[in-house]
Amino acid sequence: GQNIDQPTEMTATEGAIVQINCTYQTSGFNGLFWYQQHAGEAPTFLSYNVLDGLEEKGRFSSFLSRSKGYSYLLLKELQMKDSASYLCAVKRLTGGGNKLTFGTGTQLKVEL
Amino acid sequence: DTGVSQNPRHKITKRGQNVTFRCDPISEHNRLYWYRQTLGQGPEFLTYFQNEAQLEKSRLLSDRFSAERPKGSFSTLEIQRTEQGDSAMYLCASSPGTSDTDTQYFGPGTRLTVL
Repeated sequence: GQNIDQPTEMTATEGAIVQINCTYQTSGFNGLFWYQQHAGEAPTFLSYNVLDGLEEKGRFSSFLSRSKGYSYLLLKELQMKDSASYLCAVKRLTGGGNKLTFGTGTQLKVEL
Repeated sequence: DTGVSQNPRHKITKRGQNVTFRCDPISEHNRLYWYRQTLGQGPEFLTYFQNEAQLEKSRLLSDRFSAERPKGSFSTLEIQRTEQGDSAMYLCASSPGTSDTDTQYFGPGTRLTVL
């Protein structure tokens, strides 16, 4: 089976740094995605990791440790518009395609 | 705009009625996925197409659900004899299918309410 865990809610201050963790247990691991989802909107792609290490994209960075089944999303210089749900999704190679299995999402609230 | 589009954006129906949703993927994306999302949860995989072939279906997809992608471009998802438990956001995503990353890009979703 598969199990993806991430905190339900987090609160941080504008301008600060926040780290959102994700742990997973799965077979056929083929990469991990982070998506951002504002209320009532579609998930939008943030980052992808398949090898161990850190991927940096502007204010957003994502880290992966395959041996530990662990990833985190790091958001720097937080802005009010970063208030959203952040979804961790594991990609499994199955049936020739790449099915994503999502966690429940971490609702981030950025405060003044 | 060349993103994934879905129609309708909202659908309200009475229990027992049939509904059909449409998804237009990003042009030239070979793969198309349907997911369902309920409040406070992440999207759950329903089914996936490689061109016109439906290659995988989740156990979540009961016999009342059917999806097609007849010409390998747009796709439809039909729910027959809707139940209140079918109320959810139905998300469509597409991916190129030509790289290891194969990022999935999501449409705005169709929000279904079954009364």
